[in-house]
Amino acid sequence: AQKITQTQPGMFVQEKEAVTLDCTYDTSDPSYGLFWYKQPSSGEMIFLIYQGSYDQQNATEGRYSLNFQKARKSANLVISASQLGDSAMYFCAMRPPGLGQNFVFGPGTRLSVLP
Amino acid sequence: NAGVTQTPKFQVLKTGQSMTLQCAQDMNHEYMSWYRQDPGMGLRLIHYSVGAGITDQGEVPNGYNVSRSTTEDFPLRLLSAAPSQTSVYFCASSYSAGRSSGEQYFGPGTRLTVT
Repeated sequence: AQKITQTQPGMFVQEKEAVTLDCTYDTSDPSYGLFWYKQPSSGEMIFLIYQGSYDQQNATEGRYSLNFQKARKSANLVISASQLGDSAMYFCAMRPPGLGQNFVFGPGTRLSVLP
Repeated sequence: NAGVTQTPKFQVLKTGQSMTLQCAQDMNHEYMSWYRQDPGMGLRLIHYSVGAGITDQGEVPNGYNVSRSTTEDFPLRLLSAAPSQTSVYFCASSYSAGRSSGEQYFGPGTRLTVT
């Protein structure tokens, strides 16, 4: 069964600095998708970035990048130049192959950006 | 384009009552799903659907029913509410993975309290 692990329950970062949020996953499928979502205190889930298991390059979306190390089964989120608005819960998720597309979510990391 | 809408936003039920959480999307997505979010546990899949007339169970289906008579709507029914069903419920939708990265779009959530 697929599993996502996020070992950092909480993280602090100074404004304008970069921060890495860890995510490791467990799957025996060769094809899968990895996602990061942000959940601010208002509660909505916001899609940030996607990495396919066969993608050769690490995904980037603005200040977000995904450090994908397939052999280590890790998909860490890097946020550059942190802003106060980045304070939120961050969830790593995996979508296995197949019609069901049952996303598996990690427990989340709460990021606090300090002024 | 409203995206994914959920009603109600908040609900308080007494033990044993039943109710339906509504979910609708206007993006013509094939895949829809319901999650519950409990503190420290990320999101757990309750039920999902890969198209109209097709539904299946997720990780925590007990006590919930779903149906999908149209592409747009995917209601979640609580049959006999229990305090253990106190949670935040999210509906999500996406294209199938073959058409895009398959990221899920989430509704704003329903906060349910069962007393």
